[in-house]
Amino acid sequence: DTGVSQNPRHKITKRGQNVTFRCDPISEHNRLYWYRQTLGQGPEFLTYFQNEAQLEKSRLLSDRFSAERPKGSFSTLEIQRTEQGDSAMYLCASSLWPGNYGYTFGSGTRLTVV
Amino acid sequence: RKEVEQDPGPFNVPEGATVAFNCTYSNSASQSFFWYRQDCRKEPKLLMSVYSSGNEDGRFTAQLNRASQYISLLIRDSKLSDSATYLCVVNMRTGNQFYFGTGTSLTVIP
Repeated sequence: DTGVSQNPRHKITKRGQNVTFRCDPISEHNRLYWYRQTLGQGPEFLTYFQNEAQLEKSRLLSDRFSAERPKGSFSTLEIQRTEQGDSAMYLCASSLWPGNYGYTFGSGTRLTVV
Repeated sequence: RKEVEQDPGPFNVPEGATVAFNCTYSNSASQSFFWYRQDCRKEPKLLMSVYSSGNEDGRFTAQLNRASQYISLLIRDSKLSDSATYLCVVNMRTGNQFYFGTGTSLTVIP
């Protein structure tokens, strides 16, 4: 499978716990993006990487959120001290830059904070 | 003002109908435009890019009006399988973050 892979598919956690999600992009893609989507809304940008460098972070990304892409391949998104408002679908996408072919999204990780 | 605005619908149309969605964007410097399709509880998938000259892919036609800052998607001869949410996407600078609309829900009725 050469698509974008995200793990886990679903995560249920108690408020206050830390969670970590993983994204494996398409292997030749140098850009990797994290988005968050809640019901009835379009995806909202969180952050993106070019290779291992984190180039942009949204104001939505509070200090409880951190993302890494240490070797320029897979990426992790960690949420510390989860809150109920963090419940959402977390989508990862990758693209090849330069280029203008749109993103390829993974299937997402659905987080439920109880 | 949101970067991208769409009518959320829902649009309920009979099979075979023609349906059109519009989307407006706020930043006149936007460079790239796309339509994505998202099925229920699935990830968004690229439907088509939108070019200044307009482009067509089978039953789907996308148009861009830079002067008025809107893009459109026309679906002809609707199929049941076209039922989904259609997301309008704008990219300010190529390769950087995309801005998504809230999506327009389409249901094609037998």
